[in-house]
Amino acid sequence: QKEVEQNSGPLSVPEGAIASLNCTYSDRGSQSFFWYRQYSGKSPELIMFIYSNGDKEDGRFTAQLNKASQYVSLLIRDSQPSDSATYLCAVSSGGSQGNLIFGKGTKLSVKP
Amino acid sequence: KAGVTQTPRYLIKTRGQQVTLSCSPISGHRSVSWYQQTPGQGLQFLFEYFSETQRNKGNFPGRFSGRQFSNSRSEMNVSTLELGDSALYLCASSLGDSYPEAFFGQGTRLTVV
Repeated sequence: QKEVEQNSGPLSVPEGAIASLNCTYSDRGSQSFFWYRQYSGKSPELIMFIYSNGDKEDGRFTAQLNKASQYVSLLIRDSQPSDSATYLCAVSSGGSQGNLIFGKGTKLSVKP
Repeated sequence: KAGVTQTPRYLIKTRGQQVTLSCSPISGHRSVSWYQQTPGQGLQFLFEYFSETQRNKGNFPGRFSGRQFSNSRSEMNVSTLELGDSALYLCASSLGDSYPEAFFGQGTRLTVV
């Protein structure tokens, strides 16, 4: 059974701090890794994707991938109250990349 | 560029009925995937279509089926609805394997009573 694990949280950080979200996956054949943000009552929104080991930065967001450890993380710098949402880690499951396995998400709360 | 469009946004159905949900992908996207989201199970993969062919199927009963048309629009059908089918059904589209970034529609909220 291919799995993606995330700490459900809630993760609470003060405004301006760095929020660190973590994800582990079981399938060593996974090739693509995604972070989605989902506000309550809304659909998931793609915020980062990473395919190679190392770091990838986009604005306040940094995704980190370590395939040897089967670990993906998302750092949010200068966290804002508007970042409060559930963050979903998704991993492509071999073969076709249209089959994403999702973690159950980490709820982030940024306190003003 | 228009995003992924799902219709209808909300549905209420009775147990035993069937339902069809529709998804129009982003223009140029050929891959369409369907997911079920519930509070208990999270987001679960249903199936993926690419160029009118089902490429992958998740672990759902045969009551769940889908298809894709030549214009990449996709439909999902659930027959003999059960109370447990109440969920948010999400469609995601992507260009294809070389560009697997998937973008979600707003979803269809299905309630089975």
